[in-house]
Amino acid sequence: ETGVTQTPRHLVMGMTNKKSLKCEQHLGHNAMYWYKQSAKKPLELMFVYNFKEQTENNSVPSRFSPECPNSSHLFLHLHTLQPEDSALYLCASSNIGRDGGEQFFGPGTRLTVL
Amino acid sequence: GENVEQHPSTLSVQEGDSAVIKCTYSDSASNYFPWYKQELGKGPQLIIDIRSNVGEKKDQRIAVTLNKTAKHFSLHITETQPEDSAVYFCASSGGSYIPTFGRGTSLIVHP
Repeated sequence: ETGVTQTPRHLVMGMTNKKSLKCEQHLGHNAMYWYKQSAKKPLELMFVYNFKEQTENNSVPSRFSPECPNSSHLFLHLHTLQPEDSALYLCASSNIGRDGGEQFFGPGTRLTVL
Repeated sequence: GENVEQHPSTLSVQEGDSAVIKCTYSDSASNYFPWYKQELGKGPQLIIDIRSNVGEKKDQRIAVTLNKTAKHFSLHITETQPEDSAVYFCASSGGSYIPTFGRGTSLIVHP
């Protein structure tokens, strides 16, 4: 499989559940990102991992917990979410080392919190 | 930090017409300006990009122009087709490798 893959594609969970989103990139990139995309809002950067080290955490609530075990895999662990957390969660990867660079996005996980 | 403004938020055109989407940025250190297209049910995909040493770039029906002095760049789509209907995002980066995205433009092409 090529590119950036995300599983699951759709997820419905209750506020007391614990679930995880998975992202995998097969492009040999060294940076991975989590974005939140809500209706009528811009793409919100949540976390950035650069060579497996977290370099950005944009004031994301602690009910979202990222994990990057290696440069190809990225997880987003979810617990005690709120209905307003319902959104499309996008994973992306890129190669850093020069200013700027194309980001490759996965198809996203559509999350609904009941 | 960088601030990217994108206009319009919605653009409706007839098939065959041209479409123009404009973005402005604030960080003079920015030097990479990509445009992404997001179709329904998919993640954004790069369609064209431009670096600060170039003023214009064209790829078939799409083109991007950059005015570094005025800090704005634009996406031009000619001879629009229904399959061009999507949400388009501009972005800028350079001061940091992490891009800043515009809010998106929903383009609707009517057959």
